[in-house]
Amino acid sequence: AQKVTQAQTEISVVEKEDVTLDCVYETRDTTYYLFWYKQPPSGELVFLIRRNSFDEQNEISGRYSWNFQKSTSSFNFTITASQVVDSAVYFCALSPDSNYQLIWGAGTKLIIKP
Amino acid sequence: EADIYQTPRYLVIGTGKKITLECSQTMGHDKMYWYQQDPGMELHLIHYSYGVNSTEKGDLSSESTVSRIRTEHFPLTLESARPSHTSQYLCASTRGGARDGYTFGSGTRLTVV
Repeated sequence: AQKVTQAQTEISVVEKEDVTLDCVYETRDTTYYLFWYKQPPSGELVFLIRRNSFDEQNEISGRYSWNFQKSTSSFNFTITASQVVDSAVYFCALSPDSNYQLIWGAGTKLIIKP
Repeated sequence: EADIYQTPRYLVIGTGKKITLECSQTMGHDKMYWYQQDPGMELHLIHYSYGVNSTEKGDLSSESTVSRIRTEHFPLTLESARPSHTSQYLCASTRGGARDGYTFGSGTRLTVV
């Protein structure tokens, strides 16, 4: 089975707090790609990051960081010192090498309160 | 600047009307996709195309149809709109496949009254 689970439906934190969004995936493919997308209230989906299955290095981009662990099939996303502009729905997605289509998680709604 | 364009951005239409949602991309991508999404909810794939004259239905059954006569253009048509079609429709494209990630349009928010 190929599946992405984002167990957190909604997270609410106060501005400047750190927050981690969880993503757990399932696939039998040895080669696959993982993604995070952000969907602000405007509705457009914005690409944040892509990671392939052979690269387990963590990535940091400003206040954003991603932790990829094959041992636990997880690809978690952390926002440090959150800001109100980070409020959005965040989607994790999986692309097995055998598929041209993305397999999407259900999304996590992140609310950052001022 | 967006490389994939969807029009209209918002549409309110009466039941029974025929509508076409437009999606065009300037990147020369072969693979294009239509998703249906209720606000902030899961994305459901309704149609996809891997090239000109190639279209397939997605995981979610939809009463809409699509066409792909030109690489850059992937319109979605509802022959007879119903209130159950009220949703956001997102168009996406990719060059090499899902591994390259998708580029999304800004979406069309459809309301059928």
